[in-house]
Amino acid sequence: GAVVSQHPSRVICKSGTSVKIECRSLDFQATTMFWYRQFPKQSLMLMATSNEGSKATYEQGVEKDKFLINHASLTLSTLTVTSAHPEDSSFYICSARDRDGVLGRQYFGPGTRLTVL
Amino acid sequence: GEDVEQSLFLSVREGDSSVINCTYTDSSSTYLYWYKQEPGAGLQLLTYIFSNMDMKQDQRLTVLLNKKDKHLSLRIADTQTGDSAIYFCAADTGRRALTFGSGTRLQVQP
Repeated sequence: GAVVSQHPSRVICKSGTSVKIECRSLDFQATTMFWYRQFPKQSLMLMATSNEGSKATYEQGVEKDKFLINHASLTLSTLTVTSAHPEDSSFYICSARDRDGVLGRQYFGPGTRLTVL
Repeated sequence: GEDVEQSLFLSVREGDSSVINCTYTDSSSTYLYWYKQEPGAGLQLLTYIFSNMDMKQDQRLTVLLNKKDKHLSLRIADTQTGDSAIYFCAADTGRRALTFGSGTRLQVQP
């Protein structure tokens, strides 16, 4: 089946630094990728929709200048958490919609756990 | 927008069947998914059902879909301690991101 990878799987950084998370669709092309955030003991909350070659669409309450999304190719989207602070510590999960699949099914990456000290 | 709801907690004895329920609001949902999440881990896709199906069975898992009532259920037969986890249902209209329920914590007692 279709595979989506995320890198890194886990990152610990100091407050004020920027962290880049990559999301790749390994065996299919994805015109749309989604970024979710999950806080402990909570469900996944959509942060933004990333469309290849255009600007991302952010959900209400998500700061676009803090969470920079780039979707430069049909297989790669990146999320950069700029000037990270402890409250940004969370589990970040991406998903990719198969452009050529039946009705564009979504496939999830394994997630990236960010800890900001 | 879409709203997906689940009960928060279910406790069963090992060997019994578990039934986790979910309701959704958008009748145009095309795929309905069940994901399993163990502590500290990512989402594991368990199964999904397409909206033109009423039932799907995959080994110990049975998914029932009542499209009229917008009700989805996941039945786990012969529940094992390894099934203890949080189970999320999610609805997909094919146009937007998935909408997730709050998750049901399944506790399996030996």
